[in-house]
Amino acid sequence: GQNIDQPTEMTATEGAIVQINCTYQTSGFNGLFWYQQHAGEAPTFLSYNVLDGLEEKGRFSSFLSRSKGYSYLLLKELQMKDSASYLCAVPYSGNTPLVFGKGTRLSVIA
Amino acid sequence: ETGVTQSPTHLIKTRGQQVTLRCSSQSGHNTVSWYQQALGQGPQFIFQYYREEENGRGNFPPRFSGLQFPNYSSELNVNALELDDSALYLCASSSGTSSYNEQFFGPGTRLTVL
Repeated sequence: GQNIDQPTEMTATEGAIVQINCTYQTSGFNGLFWYQQHAGEAPTFLSYNVLDGLEEKGRFSSFLSRSKGYSYLLLKELQMKDSASYLCAVPYSGNTPLVFGKGTRLSVIA
Repeated sequence: ETGVTQSPTHLIKTRGQQVTLRCSSQSGHNTVSWYQQALGQGPQFIFQYYREEENGRGNFPPRFSGLQFPNYSSELNVNALELDDSALYLCASSSGTSSYNEQFFGPGTRLTVL
């Protein structure tokens, strides 16, 4: 089965850089997703990594190491609007249903 | 292009009652997945529908059931409601069942069971 672990809460300062880690165990690997979820809202897609390495998309980057079962989401130039939960997820074997971690609640402070 | 919509937004029920939640998938999407998200937790997969057939189910009891219609909209039905069923129910649509197909989430229905 799939198991995902990520920190529960993090706090960072506006303008800074923060790294949110995710470790996973899967019976088969079909990529790793990161979603952002503001309180009371739907998750929105941030990134999808299927190959090792860093993928950059504006202020957000996501890294994957399949051999270590490890990923991180890097947020640069933090803004107050980045305060949200960040969810790491992997699919069930090749299908779209996702297994989510519990999410990391990020608070950005002035 | 219309996004994923869900109704109602909020709902309050009492223990033992039944509830039906609705989801309209994004235009062109034939796959709908339902998730339950308890407070402070990540979403948990309930089941998926592909072209009107159930295509996978998570660890939820049979009192959670669903339907998908020819226009690919979907319903989630929960019978004999329990207090622990209080959660945000999310549906997500995609253009296929592969993990490469990005899922688009609706705004959710907040269910409170008293």
